[in-house]
Amino acid sequence: DSGVTQTPKHLITATGQRVTLRCSPRSGDLSVYWYQQSLDQGLQFLIQYYNGEERAKGNILERFSAQQFPDLHSELNLSSLELGDSALYFCASSVGGGRQANEQFFGPGTRLTVL
Amino acid sequence: AQTVTQSQPEMSVQEAETVTLSCTYDTSESDYYLFWYKQPPSRQMILVIRQEAYKQQNATENRFSVNFQKAAKSFSLKISDSQLGDAAMYFCAYSLHNDMRFGAGTRLTVKP
Repeated sequence: DSGVTQTPKHLITATGQRVTLRCSPRSGDLSVYWYQQSLDQGLQFLIQYYNGEERAKGNILERFSAQQFPDLHSELNLSSLELGDSALYFCASSVGGGRQANEQFFGPGTRLTVL
Repeated sequence: AQTVTQSQPEMSVQEAETVTLSCTYDTSESDYYLFWYKQPPSRQMILVIRQEAYKQQNATENRFSVNFQKAAKSFSLKISDSQLGDAAMYFCAYSLHNDMRFGAGTRLTVKP
């Protein structure tokens, strides 16, 4: 158990809908990262938050957004969903957020299925 | 941009034997971190081993060890005494200032 929690575990929805994925980092970790893993593919970095502020952006679509709250949990919002958005979404956390190259601890993931 | 390449989409090993998974990366930096993650069928991402680029000594964790060749930008993972539970996808990752990039993965099959 990495200490990172994600809810829900599974999510099934229809095209055009909007969903929110939730992540709670390990106790003491200030950074949260979101990744997307499509079937049999590697992880694609979406976005990073550090202590409530956006720190880095990867291949995140404009239809997707995220935020980190004062209690450090984070939410990833996916809107106008398309079939291609079906994937496993991972959240990871680390202690630092900048020059300290810390390892990231991954949550169990949320499996999103768009029908 | 930093890229990570895993040239072996699939590998197979006999139980109790040794297997080496390859990884190369591209960077102009000198101080970075490298990782191997294991993803079993449960899809959980599990850290296997980490290497700090400024350390010349190769990291080891029980049956897992790496061969880190900084000049060649190579970071291979050796699994000794392979067990059935080692069957999984293995991802190599490069991290600089918390910007982590993953390779495409190698699927390891362990034959009994």
